[in-house]
Amino acid sequence: DTGVSQDPRHKITKRGQNVTFRCDPISEHNRLYWYRQTLGQGPEFLTYFQNEAQLEKSRLLSDRFSAERPKGSFSTLEIQRTEQGDSAMYLCASSLQMNTEAFFGQGTRLTVV
Amino acid sequence: QQQVKQSPQSLIVQKGGISIINCAYENTAFDYFPWYQQFPGKGPALLIAIRPDVSEKKEGRFTISFNKSAKQFSLHIMDSQPGDSATYFCAAANSGGSNYKLTFGKGTLLTVNP
Repeated sequence: DTGVSQDPRHKITKRGQNVTFRCDPISEHNRLYWYRQTLGQGPEFLTYFQNEAQLEKSRLLSDRFSAERPKGSFSTLEIQRTEQGDSAMYLCASSLQMNTEAFFGQGTRLTVV
Repeated sequence: QQQVKQSPQSLIVQKGGISIINCAYENTAFDYFPWYQQFPGKGPALLIAIRPDVSEKKEGRFTISFNKSAKQFSLHIMDSQPGDSATYFCAAANSGGSNYKLTFGKGTLLTVNP
């Protein structure tokens, strides 16, 4: 499968724990995006990488959230001290530079109990 | 501030009918307007997209109509099928910006009855 891959697909964690998600973009896609989608809503932009550089972060991304993309390949999104309000689907998307067509992964469903 | 407003929230159509979903945007810098289809538990999948230099784009049973002066665009699904039952999201982006981030509408849950 050459699509965007996300791991894990589901994560249940206790409030206050840290969680980390991984995204493997489509090979050679140098742009990588993280979005968050809550029930009944459209995805909301969180952050964006071009190669290994994180170029923009949404105000939605509190200081408990951190994202990395070492070597411009896969990316990780870490949430520290999770809160119930963090429960959502976390989506990763990738695209080629100068190409607006973004391809999404299947997402990681986070449930904070 | 909701920059992309989508309606209706839900839609029920009979098999073979036409499904119409509407979106309106506020940011005049937006110049790329895709529609995504999402099935439960899956990520959004790109259906069709349009740029403001054309008023209509058709791909198979899916057509986007675009009205630049009204800042509105719509998705028409002809000959709707039960397999089209999903949530549809309109989105917009500024391709002249540095990141092409998408601003999504809230989605329309489409149900096509057999």
